[in-house]
Amino acid sequence: DAGVIQSPRHEVTEMGQEVTLRCKPISGHNSLFWYRQTMMRGLELLIYFNNNVPIDDSGMPEDRFSAKMPNASFSTLKIQPSEPRDSAVYFCASTPGLTGEKLFFGSGTQLSVL
Amino acid sequence: AQTVTQSQPEMSVQEAETVTLSCTYDTSESDYYLFWYKQPPSRQMILVIRQEAYKQQNATENRFSVNFQKAAKSFSLKISDSQLGDAAMYFCAYRVDQTGANNLFFGTGTRLTVIP
Repeated sequence: DAGVIQSPRHEVTEMGQEVTLRCKPISGHNSLFWYRQTMMRGLELLIYFNNNVPIDDSGMPEDRFSAKMPNASFSTLKIQPSEPRDSAVYFCASTPGLTGEKLFFGSGTQLSVL
Repeated sequence: AQTVTQSQPEMSVQEAETVTLSCTYDTSESDYYLFWYKQPPSRQMILVIRQEAYKQQNATENRFSVNFQKAAKSFSLKISDSQLGDAAMYFCAYRVDQTGANNLFFGTGTRLTVIP
């Protein structure tokens, strides 16, 4: 199994540009999570999906952030327009969906907004 | 609200020695799961150990073990015979055992340094 695959691994962009982060969960996993990690705030849940449906997006900072999961094997997190304070590591994670199961994390995308 | 607290931002241990990382949590739930994740410099989040709250027996995984005190809402991680490869950030995490409530809440992490 290839694990959770995220792309790109690094992204450098200028303020105001659109950024799209991508995630492919582990096949068969029903739940997908997007986390953001910063030094100041640690790991924060942005949004999670169950069976491709957004369940809780209360962690999405503002309207500039949006996430989609068009099918069971792909999700995107988009920031438009990006700002320097969005600089962080963004993690995608998936789980079979059963309660108590561990989350399998991708390698993260290091986003730098200049 | 569920919160997870790691009061030790940094810890260090001599190679081959034992170290304990602390974690406390706050919840009104009775059924939940607790985890320790390791994040080495590679950035990958790796599960170290998992504990079901309904189990009294402390979980162990080779050199890693936990001291789970449900009444005190404490969940510490003990690393025995520390190795250089154990150097990483360690995150304590909590997840309620409830269908649909899938979020994993993380503590702020403890950076572990292993001294040769």
